[in-house]
Amino acid sequence: GAVVSQHPSWVICKSGTSVKIECRSLDFQATTMFWYRQFPKQSLMLMATSNEGSKATYEQGVEKDKFLINHASLTLSTLTVTSAHPEDSSFYICSARDILRDTGELFFGEGSRLTVL
Amino acid sequence: GQNIDQPTEMTATEGAIVQINCTYQTSGFNGLFWYQQHAGEAPTFLSYNVLDGLEEKGRFSSFLSRSKGYSYLLLKELQMKDSASYLCASMDSNYQLIWGAGTKLIIKP
Repeated sequence: GAVVSQHPSWVICKSGTSVKIECRSLDFQATTMFWYRQFPKQSLMLMATSNEGSKATYEQGVEKDKFLINHASLTLSTLTVTSAHPEDSSFYICSARDILRDTGELFFGEGSRLTVL
Repeated sequence: GQNIDQPTEMTATEGAIVQINCTYQTSGFNGLFWYQQHAGEAPTFLSYNVLDGLEEKGRFSSFLSRSKGYSYLLLKELQMKDSASYLCASMDSNYQLIWGAGTKLIIKP
């Protein structure tokens, strides 16, 4: 199956700093990638849809100035958590769909666990 | 509105069979997915149903009834490694996934 790589897997940062998470589709092109957040024992919550070459679409309640998304190429999307605070500590997961295969399946990155001190 | 319901938690015995149900209400339905998620890991794809009926894949099978807005995931010959959360998700007309809260499956020896 298609591979999505997410980096870093773990990150610990101080409150007030910014953290960048990368999501790469390794063997396919993804015009659209999805960013999710998952708090312990809860389901995935879609934060935003990242579109290559255009602005991301954010879900209601997600601050676009706090969670900056850049989808600069067909294989890379980045999520930057700006001025992170302890309440931003969570598991962030990206996913992408192989538009050529068009099976509907979403391929997930490994996830990035963010801890803000 | 759009809604997904699945049980919060289920317990089963190693070697047995368990069925996890999912009901959905989705505008412009485009298919039903099941994902497995172990604690602290990303979800992994199990199945995708867009037509009515049963799809079998080894020990796992998934069923869909579009008229009833209902799906189930059937796990046979349960193994301890099957202990995980199972997420049901429906795809809407915009190809967006609407996620259920997940069913935590506990397997006992």
